[in-house]
Amino acid sequence: GQQVMQIPQYQHVQEGEDFTTYCNSSTTLSNIQWYKQRPGGHPVFLIQLVKSGEVKKQKRLTFQFGEAKKNSSLHITATQTTDVGTYFCLPNFGNEKLTFGTGTRLTIIP
Amino acid sequence: NAGVMQNPRHLVRRRGQEARLRCSPMKGHSHVYWYRQLPEEGLKFMVYLQKENIIDESGMPKERFSAEFPKEGPSILRIQQVVRGDSAAYFCASSPLPGYNEQFFGPGTRLTVL
Repeated sequence: GQQVMQIPQYQHVQEGEDFTTYCNSSTTLSNIQWYKQRPGGHPVFLIQLVKSGEVKKQKRLTFQFGEAKKNSSLHITATQTTDVGTYFCLPNFGNEKLTFGTGTRLTIIP
Repeated sequence: NAGVMQNPRHLVRRRGQEARLRCSPMKGHSHVYWYRQLPEEGLKFMVYLQKENIIDESGMPKERFSAEFPKEGPSILRIQQVVRGDSAAYFCASSPLPGYNEQFFGPGTRLTVL
């Protein structure tokens, strides 16, 4: 079936360390979106990746879409306390079924 | 340009009562999505609506739940005869384009069933 696995489920890092979350699909994706949800808040759109091998950067955030368009990652360099939250991927399997990844919850140890 | 608005922000109901959750999309957005989020869990898709049409309700329980997006006014998610398991945060999102595009989320309604 069409599903995506997002790992890890939790990540605790020291402030200043890097952080990465991955979404891995068993089938080729049309594109993929990433969202961030702060504790007690609502999801906020971060980016959409469309092309094979695409890499996009937003300040300390780097988003990648694999060559086979089955995998994607979000990498944060030198985490800050403002990065705390849960990061979700939203894969597009080409059938417009909206199934968010399970999310990776990032906590920062000051 | 105001964002997506949801009300009420918090709603308490006793078992068996009805819950009505409202969502006003961003100006110019005619596509609305509803999601449910249980505590410490992910977002689960419920229903996708356009003005006066339900496009996809595959994520919505077949009983007690209904949704509408009338020509005028907000989108409504209605839960009849609530049970404790309905306690969750319900998020609405809107988009200016159909299908798979950037979604703008509202602040959510936290429903507590006593």
